[in-house]
Amino acid sequence: AQTVTQSQPEMSVQEAETVTLSCTYDTSESDYYLFWYKQPPSRQMILVIRQEAYKQQNATENRFSVNFQKAAKSFSLKISDSQLGDAAMYFCAYRANSGYALNFGKGTSLLVTP
Amino acid sequence: NAGVTQTPKFRVLKTGQSMTLLCAQDMNHEYMYWYRQDPGMGLRLIHYSVGEGTTAKGEVPDGYNVSRLKKQNFLLGLESAAPSQTSVYFCASSDIQGHNSPLHFGNGTRLTVT
Repeated sequence: AQTVTQSQPEMSVQEAETVTLSCTYDTSESDYYLFWYKQPPSRQMILVIRQEAYKQQNATENRFSVNFQKAAKSFSLKISDSQLGDAAMYFCAYRANSGYALNFGKGTSLLVTP
Repeated sequence: NAGVTQTPKFRVLKTGQSMTLLCAQDMNHEYMYWYRQDPGMGLRLIHYSVGEGTTAKGEVPDGYNVSRLKKQNFLLGLESAAPSQTSVYFCASSDIQGHNSPLHFGNGTRLTVT
C-alpha cells in the first residue's frame, strides 16, 4: 500500500512571507498523481494544486507552487506572500494511475501570524 | 449547483444504535468515496464505489456498510455504533476522465457515539 508522510504537524509563517510544507510518499508505481488539499476551520476540503508524475514541470497556481522530486518521492508545497486566509490544515494526497481513491497524509496545520 | 451534499451535518448516537449517512452528488460522477477524519490521522478511506451497483472496501471498512443503488447516491451505514466510530465523515466524488481528476468533497458529518 502506498503511504504519504507529512513530517510537520504544525508550521507557522508571518503574513507576506513564504512557507514550504513537506510531503513524501512511498510507491512502487511509475504513473501516479499528487494533490494538495486545504481544510480551513469551516471543514470544507479545497483542492489547492495537483501534479501528474509524468510531467517534469512543477505545477503552479497563483501563489501556490510545488517542488516535485520524483526520484526522491517528494512533493512539497510552497506558499508565497502568505495571507491570513491561508491558515488551515493542509493535506498531501496520492493516487496511483492503477487505483481509484486518494491516500492522504496526516496533515500539516499552518498558522499565519500578522 | 450543489456539488456533494451530506446529510445529516451532526449526529449523536448511543453505543449499539444504528444510522445511515446519506451522500448525494449532482455532477454525474462515476466514483464516490467515504472517508473518516480523526485528529492526527488525516483522512482514511472506509469504502468506495466505481459505479452504480458496485462497492469496494477501503483501508478501514470494519463496522460499516455501504450501498450505491443510484449513481448519484452513496449511503454509509453503521449497524451497531461504537465509541471508536466517533469521527468526522466525508463523502467525495470524482469523474471517470483520468486519475488526475480531483475529489469533490461534501462538508462532512460530525458523528459522536456515547
